[in-house]
Amino acid sequence: GAVVSQHPSRVICKSGTSVKIECRSLDFQATTMFWYRQFPKQSLMLMATSNEGSKATYEQGVEKDKFLINHASLTLSTLTVTSAHPEDSSFYICSATGLSYNEQFFGPGTRLTVL
Amino acid sequence: AQTVTQSQPEMSVQEAETVTLSCTYDTSESDYYLFWYKQPPSRQMILVIRQEAYKQQNATENRFSVNFQKAAKSFSLKISDSQLGDAAMYFCAYRRGTSYGKLTFGQGTILTVHP
Repeated sequence: GAVVSQHPSRVICKSGTSVKIECRSLDFQATTMFWYRQFPKQSLMLMATSNEGSKATYEQGVEKDKFLINHASLTLSTLTVTSAHPEDSSFYICSATGLSYNEQFFGPGTRLTVL
Repeated sequence: AQTVTQSQPEMSVQEAETVTLSCTYDTSESDYYLFWYKQPPSRQMILVIRQEAYKQQNATENRFSVNFQKAAKSFSLKISDSQLGDAAMYFCAYRRGTSYGKLTFGQGTILTVHP
């Protein structure tokens, strides 16, 4: 199967700072990428969908100015959490799909802790 | 809007026994896909099995099989000969026909396997 990586795997930051999380498709061209948020023992909540070269489509209730998503190339999407606060602490997961694929491939996730 | 419901927050099974996880969904679409994902403690999402709505035959992947009841909008997962490595959180998910569509996840079921 296709491989998706995320970096960093975990990050700790101070309240008020910004954090960038990278999602890369290692062996395929990802025309569409998805960003999810997951709290412990809960389901995945879709935050936004991004298509290469286009603005991301955010789900209702997700703050666009707080969670900046950039899908600048067919192998890279980034999620920037701006002015992070403790309530932004969570597990963030990306997934990607491309032409000829009939499924999403998930990254290993990033654990964000905001102090 | 599509919804996916998993009514069993937790399930347990003895090693080598069989367990069935339940999932129901609601949609007005005729072209869609259903998935079961496994999320072990590592939190890496793993695709277990996929079912196309237009196929009447139930999907099977080794020890994993589904019971797809389209009219009842039910999609259960049967795990046969359970192994310790099957212990994980399992998510049922729905996607509209397009491969670039977003996934809608159920709440998840935590499966414990007893030796």
